[in-house]
Amino acid sequence: GAGVSQSPSNKVTEKGKDVELRCDPISGHTALYWYRQSLGQGLEFLIYFQGNSAPDKSGLPSDRFSAERTGGSVSTLTIQRTQQEDSAVYLCASSLAGANVLTFGAGSRLTVL
Amino acid sequence: GENVEQHPSTLSVQEGDSAVIKCTYSDSASNYFPWYKQELGKGPQLIIDIRSNVGEKKDQRIAVTLNKTAKHFSLHITETQPEDSAVYFCASWDFNKFYFGSGTKLNVKP
Repeated sequence: GAGVSQSPSNKVTEKGKDVELRCDPISGHTALYWYRQSLGQGLEFLIYFQGNSAPDKSGLPSDRFSAERTGGSVSTLTIQRTQQEDSAVYLCASSLAGANVLTFGAGSRLTVL
Repeated sequence: GENVEQHPSTLSVQEGDSAVIKCTYSDSASNYFPWYKQELGKGPQLIIDIRSNVGEKKDQRIAVTLNKTAKHFSLHITETQPEDSAVYFCASWDFNKFYFGSGTKLNVKP
């Protein structure tokens, strides 16, 4: 696609529910990143994919968070048993292999009530 | 690991004035330093970047300077316009990982 596409753009859920956030990177971009941005804060690294592999998942806050990528394209970030502190904007970005220029999506805003 | 610090957290300037945002980093192995602009409700967008073999780079009203010895880099915006109002993030890149500063909210008053 022309840009990085994320869905849903907004998600409101109840505490304890599971949520899935989707990222569709730019076609041909093999590197994919997930970041979390809490209100008024900077970007917190969550996980990095190269192809379908995740060489660095050091930023995932707890075992309630997981991510996968299939076909070297679409990625899904799953948060189980959501907590109020999970409320944030989740940003996805992609880049070409061997390059370090990131293109971000518009983000998925998650609100946990 | 790398630590990127960004100052100021907020900056208010009059239209037409210059704005400067500064960042420091800790890892001397970092070799790529992008700046992103984030408008309300949107994802960050790359506006300018600099690699460690260059000291300065300009693109119209925007410039970035890098001092490798001191491990700091700065964003300079001249002749600011209201549409420059946004949150700006600096970042450093090292071993496939980006480290972001905490952001600067720039307000350009007409």
